[in-house]
Amino acid sequence: NAGVTQTPKFQVLKTGQSMTLQCAQDMNHNSMYWYRQDPGMGLRLIYYSASEGTTDKGEVPNGYNVSRLNKREFSLRLESAAPSQTSVYFCASWGGELFFGEGSRLTVL
Amino acid sequence: GQSLEQPSEVTAVEGAIVQINCTYQTSGFYGLSWYQQHDGGAPTFLSYNGLDGLEETGRFSSFLSRSDSYGYLLLQELQMKDSASYFCAVRGTGNQFYFGTGTSLTVIP
Repeated sequence: NAGVTQTPKFQVLKTGQSMTLQCAQDMNHNSMYWYRQDPGMGLRLIYYSASEGTTDKGEVPNGYNVSRLNKREFSLRLESAAPSQTSVYFCASWGGELFFGEGSRLTVL
Repeated sequence: GQSLEQPSEVTAVEGAIVQINCTYQTSGFYGLSWYQQHDGGAPTFLSYNGLDGLEETGRFSSFLSRSDSYGYLLLQELQMKDSASYFCAVRGTGNQFYFGTGTSLTVIP
């Protein structure tokens, strides 16, 4: 049972490049989330999806877009990466508790 | 908006008891959760309080007072492996979850 799977685990980008973080869960959960974690800042909600076909902004959505492709998959896209987006990104799904992926460590130079 | 406050650092002795407090301000509230995160790892669920009072799960207990917008996590019989970061999280409307900035717990021999 894989739970929540994120790819890639590590990525280095140059300013202005684009990329997509992929997330998939195999627990049949409706709600999925993207968080970023920076030192001393805790986990901040970027976007969430209450169910397939719906997405909503969280606390820090600027510079990001999301797609809820189906019930299993929820992707996060950076259209034009900036150094301020250097962070660890966590995907999660909710089934009575939040289940997190292992994180994607993104560095923007 | 959402605001959650926790102490940034706590140090306690192995075998002792430690309490980590969390105060929150939120526009919608459906419960308070606690998560543990070891360095570099994914956050994992510890407990949830939807109603006022104490919830106990083994060595961990969590308390909520909705009238005071306050909760705490109590860790008993501390072990070295309990050294980690602890986050409180508010469950808001639409199944959104907002996290505090985290408390770094160091357990010393």
